[in-house]
Amino acid sequence: GDSVTQMEGPVTLSEEAFLTINCTYTATGYPSLFWYVQYPGEGLQLLLKATKADDKGSNKGFEATYRKETTSFHLEKGSVQVSDSAVYFCALIRAGGSYIPTFGRGTSLIVHP
Amino acid sequence: NAGVTQTPKFRVLKTGQSMTLLCAQDMNHEYMYWYRQDPGMGLRLIHYSVGEGTTAKGEVPDGYNVSRLKKQNFLLGLESAAPSQTSVYFCASRDRDRYNEQFFGPGTRLTVL
Repeated sequence: GDSVTQMEGPVTLSEEAFLTINCTYTATGYPSLFWYVQYPGEGLQLLLKATKADDKGSNKGFEATYRKETTSFHLEKGSVQVSDSAVYFCALIRAGGSYIPTFGRGTSLIVHP
Repeated sequence: NAGVTQTPKFRVLKTGQSMTLLCAQDMNHEYMYWYRQDPGMGLRLIHYSVGEGTTAKGEVPDGYNVSRLKKQNFLLGLESAAPSQTSVYFCASRDRDRYNEQFFGPGTRLTVL
């Protein structure tokens, strides 16, 4: 079945550091890929998405590129802020059927001033 | 628009008690979902609904029941709560034709003693 694997956290960085959170997936066909962010005490919010190979999703300084050859969708940001501290979830939706998303386990990011 | 709202925000139950979690959305979405979030497990789908009067089982349905009597509401019931059901519960909804964008509620934190 479909699966999403994320790097384990927490990831701890200083403000203005470069961020990478790795995400790889297993799915048949051509899934759409997503990053969601969950701030403390809140629900998940869609951060960015990519629907086909080589697409780059971007939002709020974050970006991720759909790499079909490596089945990856790594999240990056050039300069993190304290306000980026949150849990980040990678997810996929495979076209057809019920379009139910498959989520990774989440990666906690802690940014220190 | 309020988006997706959940009631209550917090609840403590004793083993064997019953309760109902309410999810409401004002976006006229056809699809609604109930997830549970446990540490290190990501989000796991409990039940979902593709329209008023219809429900289906997700990955972890045992011990839960759901009802979708009105399009805007999706209820999650625990008939006899168990400590293993201690979790944070999230509701989500989406438009039928926009499969790649789910909207999440703020969550209900449930503790079963």
